[in-house]
Amino acid sequence: GENVEQHPSTLSVQEGDSAVIKCTYSDSASNYFPWYKQELGKRPQLIIDIRSNVGEKKDQRIAVTLNKTAKHFSLHITETQPEDSAVYFCAAKDSGGSNYKLTFGKGTLLTVNP
Amino acid sequence: ETGVTQTPRHLVMGMTNKKSLKCEQHLGHNAMYWYKQSAKKPLELMFVYNFKEQTENNSVPSRFSPECPNSSHLFLHLHTLQPEDSALYLCASSQSRLAGQTQYFGPGTRLLVL
Repeated sequence: GENVEQHPSTLSVQEGDSAVIKCTYSDSASNYFPWYKQELGKRPQLIIDIRSNVGEKKDQRIAVTLNKTAKHFSLHITETQPEDSAVYFCAAKDSGGSNYKLTFGKGTLLTVNP
Repeated sequence: ETGVTQTPRHLVMGMTNKKSLKCEQHLGHNAMYWYKQSAKKPLELMFVYNFKEQTENNSVPSRFSPECPNSSHLFLHLHTLQPEDSALYLCASSQSRLAGQTQYFGPGTRLLVL
């Protein structure tokens, strides 16, 4: 089955700096890669996603890049703000056969220091 | 924030108790999911239902028993749980179980097994 590795597990940046979180996946059939943000005590919420026919996607200060050959994808947050502090999860989803599972990474605790 | 609701939000139970978790989605979705979120572990998919039919059981112990009476409601019946089952149980829904369909999470039930 799919295996998703996420790094780093914790990341601390100064307000205004950029933050990058990286994930690798094992199943080359995976074709959908969402990123979720989970603030303390709250539910995970989708912040951006990318499909395998696209190499990069941006939404204001957030961008995701995908390298299908290397089987890795990354989340980039620019001009970080204290409200960006949360746990971020990457995930990969396979559409082949009967496997429609989202496999999640272990999460990255991002702390943005004012 | 009210698209997917879960009750109760917190639950403390003994190992011999029987309890049920409830999830309801108001988004008109056809797929519903149960996840387990433990500290320092990835989100673990437990069950998937598509149009009320169970399509995935991710090797979950039989002390967890799901029920999906219709596309809007999902239950997780708990009996003779172990302390290691203590975790946040998250329900999610999506339009369908196909790749690329955003999953929307409920707020979760924080379960403590004594």
